[in-house]
Amino acid sequence: GENVEQHPSTLSVQEGDSAVIKCTYSDSASNYFPWYKQELGKRPQLIIDIRSNVGEKKDQRIAVTLNKTAKHFSLHITETQPEDSAVYFCAASTGFQKLVFGTGTRLLVSP
Amino acid sequence: NAGVTQTPKFQVLKTGQSMTLQCAQDMNHEYMSWYRQDPGMGLRLIHYSVGAGITDQGEVPNGYNVSRSTTEDFPLRLLLAAPSQTSVYFCASRKRTGNYEQYFGPGTRLTVT
Repeated sequence: GENVEQHPSTLSVQEGDSAVIKCTYSDSASNYFPWYKQELGKRPQLIIDIRSNVGEKKDQRIAVTLNKTAKHFSLHITETQPEDSAVYFCAASTGFQKLVFGTGTRLLVSP
Repeated sequence: NAGVTQTPKFQVLKTGQSMTLQCAQDMNHEYMSWYRQDPGMGLRLIHYSVGAGITDQGEVPNGYNVSRSTTEDFPLRLLLAAPSQTSVYFCASRKRTGNYEQYFGPGTRLTVT
């Protein structure tokens, strides 16, 4: 089955810096890659996703890149703000049904 | 729309007891899933359903049962609770086609003593 690895487990940056979180997946048939943000005590919420027919997608300060050959995808957050502090999860699925999640990255943005 | 709702928010069980976690959605989503979240392990899929009357196992199905008699409801049953089932449980739903965003419920924090 699919296996998703996520790095780093924690990431500390200064406000205004960029943050990059990386994930690798094992199943070359995976075709959908969402990223979720989870604030303390809250539910996960989708922030951006990408499908396998696209190499990059951007939404304001957030971007995701996908390298199908290397089987890895990354989340890029530019101009980080304290409200970006949260746990971020990547995930992968085949056929858009069963999502397999990474273990999460705790991002701390210091003012 | 209320979105995805879960009850209860908190529950404490003794080992061997049984209970049902409730999940409902009012968005007419075909797909529904149950996940458990443990520290350092992300979210792991327990069971999922692609429509009323159809369920399938995820990564960690042992100790849990589900059924899907209506589009709206997807209850998760713990038959003989064990301390290893202490976790936060999230229900999620999404449409079968088009936008594949999964919408999560607020979660149920379960402690088994």
